[in-house]
Amino acid sequence: SAVISQKPSRDICQRGTSLTIQCQVDSQVTMMFWYRQQPGQSLTLIATANQGSEATYESGFVIDKFPISRPNLTFSTLTVSNMSPEDSSIYLCSYYQASSYNEQFFGPGTRLTVL
Amino acid sequence: RKEVEQDPGPFNVPEGATVAFNCTYSNSASQSFFWYRQDCRKEPKLLMSVYSSGNEDGRFTAQLNRASQYISLLIRDSKLSDSATYLCVVNPWGLSGNTPLVFGKGTRLSVIA
Repeated sequence: SAVISQKPSRDICQRGTSLTIQCQVDSQVTMMFWYRQQPGQSLTLIATANQGSEATYESGFVIDKFPISRPNLTFSTLTVSNMSPEDSSIYLCSYYQASSYNEQFFGPGTRLTVL
Repeated sequence: RKEVEQDPGPFNVPEGATVAFNCTYSNSASQSFFWYRQDCRKEPKLLMSVYSSGNEDGRFTAQLNRASQYISLLIRDSKLSDSATYLCVVNPWGLSGNTPLVFGKGTRLSVIA
């Protein structure tokens, strides 16, 4: 599988600010996804990052709050805008490996704390 | 009904024990199934895909029952290093991986010396 990395690994932010998380894969991948994992919970999909078009958001998530970029086949960003303490979570990107049994592989996550 | 349901545990078992986790899914059209493992404060990592005929990887055996919409994971000869949360994961939209996965809440396993 390709190597997938995220930056930053963690951050502590003030209410009302925004944070952009970067996700880099070391080879071209078709699809990238952004998930959120709140404390003690499982993963919830935020959106699918589509290369060359707008991201596809899941119910409960909107572009104004979570703008996503996918400028090429190896990179994506997720911005958490106008943060509140409820946004404190781990944010994970993943990619789909077309050559295998449709598995998805995850980045190491970004642990966000909003004060 | 939730899309993927698991017993959250925790399962506390001694080293060497055999332990089984179960999972049910609601979408009968789902085609691909996985078990992921997540260690504390780490990202989920693929443990194994679940094939229709069932499959085994060392001490781990996965089974799928489509009629009952049920997936299982059996761990034999448990090791301390098996302590983690095991996530049952379903792709509800068919064989294409180009769709997001649906995660269960996970079953927590602690293997005790």
